[in-house]
Amino acid sequence: AQSVTQLGSHVSVSEGALVLLRCNYSSSVPPYLFWYVQYPNQGLQLLLKYTSAATLVKGINGFEAEFKKSETSFHLTKPSAHMSDAAEYFCAVRGFSGGYQKVTFGTGTKLQVIP
Amino acid sequence: DTAVSQTPKYLVTQMGNDKSIKCEQNLGHDTMYWYKQDSKKFLKIMFSYNNKELIINETVPNRFSPKSPDKAHLNLHINSLELGDSAVYFCASSPPLGGGEKLFFGSGTQLSVL
Repeated sequence: AQSVTQLGSHVSVSEGALVLLRCNYSSSVPPYLFWYVQYPNQGLQLLLKYTSAATLVKGINGFEAEFKKSETSFHLTKPSAHMSDAAEYFCAVRGFSGGYQKVTFGTGTKLQVIP
Repeated sequence: DTAVSQTPKYLVTQMGNDKSIKCEQNLGHDTMYWYKQDSKKFLKIMFSYNNKELIINETVPNRFSPKSPDKAHLNLHINSLELGDSAVYFCASSPPLGGGEKLFFGSGTQLSVL
């Protein structure tokens, strides 16, 4: 079964500083990996996804993530944090159940941006 | 137009009551899901339907009964509500495999059982 582990339930950065949110995956097959963002009182939105093409994936709002098979990692980064980046971030992996897609989420990392 | 819409947004009720949450998507997707997000923000899949057929049932108590009258709608009925059912419930939909692998989420229904 596929799973993801997010390291750090809370991350605080200063405005303008580098954002690094960590995610490690476990998968018996080449994984499809995702980062979703959840703003307060909203549903989740896709930030970016890795589907076995380029290992460096660029997403919306200046975020990117690098797939590293040797480290089983898919960390999310952004060079310069903005106040509007404060949100909950979820790493996710796609698995299958009976031939149908099943997406499993990590426990989330809350990003706080300090002015 | 909202792609995935859920109603109600907030639901406050007493233990033992029965309640329903409705979900509709206008994206033309065949697959819809219910996820439960607990107070620690942990998001867990409950059910998935593909074209009105149940395809994933993640050991959810049988007090929870999803119903899909057509592929654009997936409702969740909960009987005999318990305190532990308090959570945010998200509906989501996705295109067929190979069509983007992206989940589209509703804005959630916050259920509070008193």
